[in-house]
Amino acid sequence: AQTVTQSQPEMSVQEAETVTLSCTYDTSESDYYLFWYKQPPSRQMILVIRQEAYKQQNATENRFSVNFQKAAKSFSLKISDSQLGDAAMYFCAHCTGNQFYFGTGTSLTVIP
Amino acid sequence: GAVVSQHPSRVICKSGTSVKIECRSLDFQATTMFWYRQFPKQSLMLMATSNEGSKATYEQGVEKDKFLINHASLTLSTLTVTSAHPEDSSFYICSARLGSGYTFGSGTRLTVV
Repeated sequence: AQTVTQSQPEMSVQEAETVTLSCTYDTSESDYYLFWYKQPPSRQMILVIRQEAYKQQNATENRFSVNFQKAAKSFSLKISDSQLGDAAMYFCAHCTGNQFYFGTGTSLTVIP
Repeated sequence: GAVVSQHPSRVICKSGTSVKIECRSLDFQATTMFWYRQFPKQSLMLMATSNEGSKATYEQGVEKDKFLINHASLTLSTLTVTSAHPEDSSFYICSARLGSGYTFGSGTRLTVV
């Protein structure tokens, strides 16, 4: 069974500081994608970053980067220089074929 | 970038009535769309996969007669909640695959009174 686990229901970070959100997953597939999505109060799902499993290099998108540990099935998200607009729910997701599996989410609060 | 337009954003209906939610892919063709349900402070749960020109594939536990999905064109998928009840009140989100990525609609908040 495919599962995605986010062990931190809530996190907080001081503005301009760095925070890391954890995600682990379980899969028997060798070819898959991993995603981090942000869901602000508007409920719109916004793609933050994507990682192809076959790529060893960690994906980065400006202030967002991941630490992808394939053997450990870990996919954490690091947000650097946190901004007030980063406050949202963050969902880790695993995708193989057309099947998407979401974690339970981490609510991130940014403290001014 | 590719956009999925979802309407309505909010709807309130009376118990026993039906509600239709539309999901349109703008400037790209989506042969497959996905419908999710999200309860407050919970994750997205896949309800069904909508395939253009064929029957939708429903996840275990989702009533196909209650949640009717139609994907009649490459740019439009609809979810109809039939005989809605208060327990159907939720946030419904559609998604479409584009290449190796997925884009989401803005969601529909359904309230059944």
